[in-house]
Amino acid sequence: EVQLVESGGGLVMPGGSLRLSCAASGFTVTNAWMTWVRQAPGKGLEWVGRIKGKTDDETIDYAAPVKGRFTILRDDSKNTLFLQLNSLKSEDTAVYFCTTGLDMREDFSRSWGQGTLVTVSS
Amino acid sequence: DIQMTQSPSTLSASVGDRVTITCRASQSIGTWLAWYQQKPGKAPKLLIYQASSLESGVPSRFSGSGSGTEFTLTISSLQPDDFATYYCQQFNSHLGVTFGPGTKVEI
Repeated sequence: EVQLVESGGGLVMPGGSLRLSCAASGFTVTNAWMTWVRQAPGKGLEWVGRIKGKTDDETIDYAAPVKGRFTILRDDSKNTLFLQLNSLKSEDTAVYFCTTGLDMREDFSRSWGQGTLVTVSS
Repeated sequence: DIQMTQSPSTLSASVGDRVTITCRASQSIGTWLAWYQQKPGKAPKLLIYQASSLESGVPSRFSGSGSGTEFTLTISSLQPDDFATYYCQQFNSHLGVTFGPGTKVEI
């Protein structure tokens, strides 16, 4: 069974940093396209960024609002995806979902984690 | 980036109704479109990808159509479990990946 479990969310002050983790099971992250999507409280979904699989050159793309501040990382030995959040702003407050298209090498999300809440506030 | 719009933003319907949600892209995206269902406090669930391909395990009352800039999600006979918010997503990564604002289907 495919499972994605996020962790690492919490309360952080503006300008601070946080690292989110996404532990995957039931498949191998190495060749999967792995994506982060966020949802601010009471708002819609927002694509954050994606890392392609090793067979697709591991290309990483980010949404404009987070480019230069957020970094997607992957640890194949732990079958885990990470999202490093730096220079956090209040508008980054959201539930962050880890997602994957599994065997579909496209930017849609077939499987989702339960999400982890990041709150940026002083 | 491509802008996605959805209409209506809220839809009131009854069990058994045929429901149609429209999603429009600001420029042509071919069939690079997916539909998701989200219930309160839960992660979204993929319903349709590539505009009209039904995801495995999704009931056949859900269907998608369209190409270019206009797309529709249809629920042929609304069931109690279908009251939720629905999002479209264009996933042509060369054009930036974006979601629509959502359509809430309520009783």
